[in-house]
Amino acid sequence: GAGVSQSPSNKVTEKGKDVELRCDPISGHTALYWYRQRLGQGLEFLIYFQGNSAPDKSGLPSDRFSAERTGESVSTLTIQRTQQEDSAVYLCASSPRPPLLYGYTFGSGTRLTVV
Amino acid sequence: GESVGLHLPTLSVQEGDNSIINCAYSNSASDYFIWYKQESGKGPQFIIDIRSNMDKRQGQRVTVLLNKTVKHLSLQIAATQPGDSAVYFCAENSGGSNYKLTFGKGTLLTVNP
Repeated sequence: GAGVSQSPSNKVTEKGKDVELRCDPISGHTALYWYRQRLGQGLEFLIYFQGNSAPDKSGLPSDRFSAERTGESVSTLTIQRTQQEDSAVYLCASSPRPPLLYGYTFGSGTRLTVV
Repeated sequence: GESVGLHLPTLSVQEGDNSIINCAYSNSASDYFIWYKQESGKGPQFIIDIRSNMDKRQGQRVTVLLNKTVKHLSLQIAATQPGDSAVYFCAENSGGSNYKLTFGKGTLLTVNP
């Protein structure tokens, strides 16, 4: 597609439920990133995928967070047993194979609210 | 109860003035820097970048200055327009990774007509 597409755009869930967030990267972009943005804060790195290489999961905050990507296509970020502190905007981005030339292209994010 | 609100640095300017947004980065080994603009409800959008072998780069109405001695980055916007109102983030590509960007907290720019 023309840009990075994320769904849903908004998600309200009850504490303790699992949620799944989806990202469609730009066609041809081999690198895909997930970041978290809390209200009034900068972006926190969560995970990075590059082609079929092992992902960099160093930013995942707990074992309740996991992400998958099949090849160079769609990625899903799953949060199990959601907590109120998980409330944030989850941003997906993609880029051509690093090294970075023009940074990332971001999607519009999924706003997650845990009540 | 305690209220939680935005604690972003803010800059308010008049339309037509020049704006300067500053950023202190953390890693002296960083070799690539980007400024992003984020409008409400949208993802960050690339504005301009600079590599560590440069100290200045100009784009359309924007200029980025890099001072490696004090690890400082600035974004200058000429003739600021209401459409420039947004949160601006600097990001650094820290040494040791050719893909991971570390973002600052952001500055909220408000342009008054």
